[in-house]
Amino acid sequence: ILNVEQSPQSLHVQEGDSTNFTCSFPSSNFYALHWYRWETAKSPEALFVMTLNGDEKKKGRISATLNTKEGYSYLYIKGSQPEDSATYLCALMGNTDKLIFGTGTRLQVFP
Amino acid sequence: NAGVTQTPKFRVLKTGQSMTLLCAQDMNHEYMYWYRQDPGMGLRLIHYSVGEGTTAKGEVPDGYNVSRLKKQNFLLGLESAAPSQTSVYFCASSQLDLAGVKSGPFFGPGTRLTVL
Repeated sequence: ILNVEQSPQSLHVQEGDSTNFTCSFPSSNFYALHWYRWETAKSPEALFVMTLNGDEKKKGRISATLNTKEGYSYLYIKGSQPEDSATYLCALMGNTDKLIFGTGTRLQVFP
Repeated sequence: NAGVTQTPKFRVLKTGQSMTLLCAQDMNHEYMYWYRQDPGMGLRLIHYSVGEGTTAKGEVPDGYNVSRLKKQNFLLGLESAAPSQTSVYFCASSQLDLAGVKSGPFFGPGTRLTVL
């Protein structure tokens, strides 16, 4: 059973703060890790796909790292803005082709 | 290029009624997924398909059936709807290449289903 866990469950930060959250997954069953940004009433939007241990990806102020040996990925947001407010989901694809999501980290950025 | 589309967008059913949700993608993707989204539960995988004519169970398959008769379509059926199936349903599709994930998954806009 693939168990993907995200922490914290929710996060409130001030505009300009940098923040990060964690996605943990079983290291023995790894094929790829996805990060999504999900705004209320919209579809999840793909941010990153990571496949190799040590991968680092960046998109504007958002970046992510991957450690497949210990089974975790970090998502960082530098200088948070109110428009960054959303739920951030990670999803693990193991070797069974299933894509299993964590429950997400709900980020709220206050002006 | 419409991407991933879902019909209907909204539906209200009575307990015991049946219905089919349609997901269509025009990206020639092999993989398609059905998820349900409930408060505090994130996205949970119901069923998925790795190609035309194949389907497999996800995390929460009970009470649902699926079919993938054509590559571009993935149908989710509820034979006898129950209030516990009130949820928002998302379809997604993706394509893998030999080096890893090539593109997607891309999500449809969702179907909001209420079972009374």
